[in-house]
Amino acid sequence: NAGVMQNPRHLVRRRGQEARLRCSPMKGHSHVYWYRQLPEEGLKFMVYLQKENIIDESGMPKERFSAEFPKEGPSILRIQQVVRGDSAAYFCASSPLHSRLMIGNEQFFGPGTRLTVL
Amino acid sequence: TQLLEQSPQFLSIQEGENLTVYCNSSSVFSSLQWYRQEPGEGPVLLVTVVTGGEVKKLKRLTFQFGDARKDSSLHITAAQPGDTGLYLCAGAEGSQGNLIFGKGTKLSVKP
Repeated sequence: NAGVMQNPRHLVRRRGQEARLRCSPMKGHSHVYWYRQLPEEGLKFMVYLQKENIIDESGMPKERFSAEFPKEGPSILRIQQVVRGDSAAYFCASSPLHSRLMIGNEQFFGPGTRLTVL
Repeated sequence: TQLLEQSPQFLSIQEGENLTVYCNSSSVFSSLQWYRQEPGEGPVLLVTVVTGGEVKKLKRLTFQFGDARKDSSLHITAAQPGDTGLYLCAGAEGSQGNLIFGKGTKLSVKP
């Protein structure tokens, strides 16, 4: 019973490069959430996706960041032209139903991708 | 914007002691969740509380949701070194239900 999988676990990029972070939700889950965690900070919501749909991207920076969850394959969080301030741990979580249909909105988290921008 | 304040920020205790950590907000949440996160890993869901006044027990851990659904507490009895970690509370925000997290309580239990 595989949990949420994220890869790579660690990613190093130089300023100006692109970072691609992948997330495969738990089996049977069709809803994916991305969060960012800075040192000594809590997790901050970025984007909520369903297959082929962005439900809520209110937490995502308007520029350089994009996310997708195609019909086939993992969800991708893409950061273009990375800057040092993008260095953080990026976590993906999944849930089986739309959050409005769930009592408690339980989300299950992956191990994260730690992005370091040099 | 809803905020969750957790206290204390850091807690260092000896094995066998009891402790309580708190999660407070000025806003009402439909549910609150508690997670534990270890270094280099993602948060692991411990419990979800939904009803005001609800108390849930998970072995030595007792979770309580305030009557007004604005606050929650986590009590650990006879703490063990394996309880060491970052304890996060999270509440569902708005109609989409994305989670708002507190900054966490970093617990260290020394043998």
